[in-house]
Amino acid sequence: QVQLVESGGGVVQPGRSLRLSCAASGFIFSSYAVHWVRQAPGKGLEWVAVISDDGHQKFYADSVKGRFTISRDNSKNMVYLQMNSLRGEDTAVYFCGRDISITAVQASGEKNYFYYGMDVWGLGTTVTVSS
Amino acid sequence: EIVLTQSPGTLSLSPGQRATLSCRASQSVSSSYLAWYQQKRGQAPRLLIYGASRRATGISDRFSGSGSGTDFTLTINGLEPEDFAVYYCQQYGNSPFTFGPGTKVDMK
Repeated sequence: QVQLVESGGGVVQPGRSLRLSCAASGFIFSSYAVHWVRQAPGKGLEWVAVISDDGHQKFYADSVKGRFTISRDNSKNMVYLQMNSLRGEDTAVYFCGRDISITAVQASGEKNYFYYGMDVWGLGTTVTVSS
Repeated sequence: EIVLTQSPGTLSLSPGQRATLSCRASQSVSSSYLAWYQQKRGQAPRLLIYGASRRATGISDRFSGSGSGTDFTLTINGLEPEDFAVYYCQQYGNSPFTFGPGTKVDMK
């Protein structure tokens, strides 16, 4: 069935790094953009990053820009979130989500990417940043 | 950054009643790029509405979305026990793709 499974969470000291993984199955992975969204304990949802279906477009939240990097390997049906210089405020459950995205290719070959919403979510992986 | 404000913070209703949730954006959002999610405690969010008014696959027609510009609404007709949860709006018009703070619908 269609699913996403996150892994790689754990307890890490401030300033250290961690890489999260999101494994996809049950659908044509290379046709969908994927987001990371996090939720601190007792708080609301915070969007973190998105990567387009082909990996060419990436966006980040201001709170993680320059510290986190999203990437994907379509040959392995995987999306990654490399998290560097971790802070206490990065403590959260991290979810990956598939977007019902569309990539439009113009006659020139230029691509336009459109994002509409996350219709498939993983169960999340917990990251705790603490000394 | 587009800031989304949701109101009310908490909505206390009884089963069978109608819930009306508001999402207001700090600047105009194309209606194609406004989504609503439901989240229950300990679970991942679930997409309810995208494109402001389009129900996601498998979503009951008790859920409907409307609005444009800076004002959007999620309506839940005839609340069922399983509808008591937290609801978030999210905009995809401009990065960062921000979420609202959420509206909790709880049972009176």
